Amino acid sequence: EDQVTQSPEALRLQEGESSSLNCSYTVSGLRGLFWYRQDPGKGPEFLFTLYSAGEEKEKERLKATLTKKESFLHITAPKPEDSATYLCAVQRGSQGNLIFGKGTKLSVKP
Amino acid sequence: NAGVMQNPRHLVRRRGQEARLRCSPMKGHSHVYWYRQLPEEGLKFMVYLQKENIIDESGMPKERFSAEFPKEGPSILRIQQVVRGDSAAYFCASSLGTSADYEQYFGPGTRLTVT
Repeated sequence: EDQVTQSPEALRLQEGESSSLNCSYTVSGLRGLFWYRQDPGKGPEFLFTLYSAGEEKEKERLKATLTKKESFLHITAPKPEDSATYLCAVQRGSQGNLIFGKGTKLSVKP
Repeated sequence: NAGVMQNPRHLVRRRGQEARLRCSPMKGHSHVYWYRQLPEEGLKFMVYLQKENIIDESGMPKERFSAEFPKEGPSILRIQQVVRGDSAAYFCASSLGTSADYEQYFGPGTRLTVT
C-alpha cells in the first residue's frame, strides 16, 4: 500500500537553529515528490517538486533533497515567519492525485 | 493572476441537509482535484475531474457524495444528507495537466461544520 510518513509530528526551534524534516515513502512508480507549506486556516502552498533520487532544490532558507526512500526538507537559520505545517506528498504511476503525509508542524520562536 | 477560488469559506449545516461546495480553478487550468482534511489527519484525495468528465473518483464515498465540473462554471462538490462525520476542511486544487511537471495549486478551502 502506498504510504507517506512524516516526522517529527511537531518541531520547535529557536530562531536561527537549523534542522531537517523527514518524509519517508513507499510508493510504486513514483512520478514526483512534492513539498507544500500550510498556514493555519489556509490552503497548501506549493514549494518544490522532486523527481528522482539525488535531486536537490532550494528556495530561500529551504532545501529539499530526495533519496529512493525518503526526502528531507532542510531549514537553515529559520525565522518566526517560517512557522507553518509542512506537507509532503507523492504522485505515482498514471494517477494525477497526490498522497499526503500528515505533516510536520514547525514553530520558530524569536 | 487570480488563484484557485473556493466558496463559501465556511459552511454550517444541520444533520440531514445538503452541502454544496464550489471551486473555480486557476485561469487556463482544466484539471480539478478535491481533497478532504479531517482534524489531525492528512489531506485525503476524493475525486479528480476534467471539464464535463469524472476521471477518478476512487477516494470519494459511494453514497451521498457527488462531484461535477461543467463546461461552464465552477466545479461543485455536493454532499447530501450530511452527518457529523462530514465536518472537515474541503480543498480544491487545479493544474494544467496530470504529470508531475504540473504542480497542483490549492484554494483556501471550505470549512464544513455539521451540527
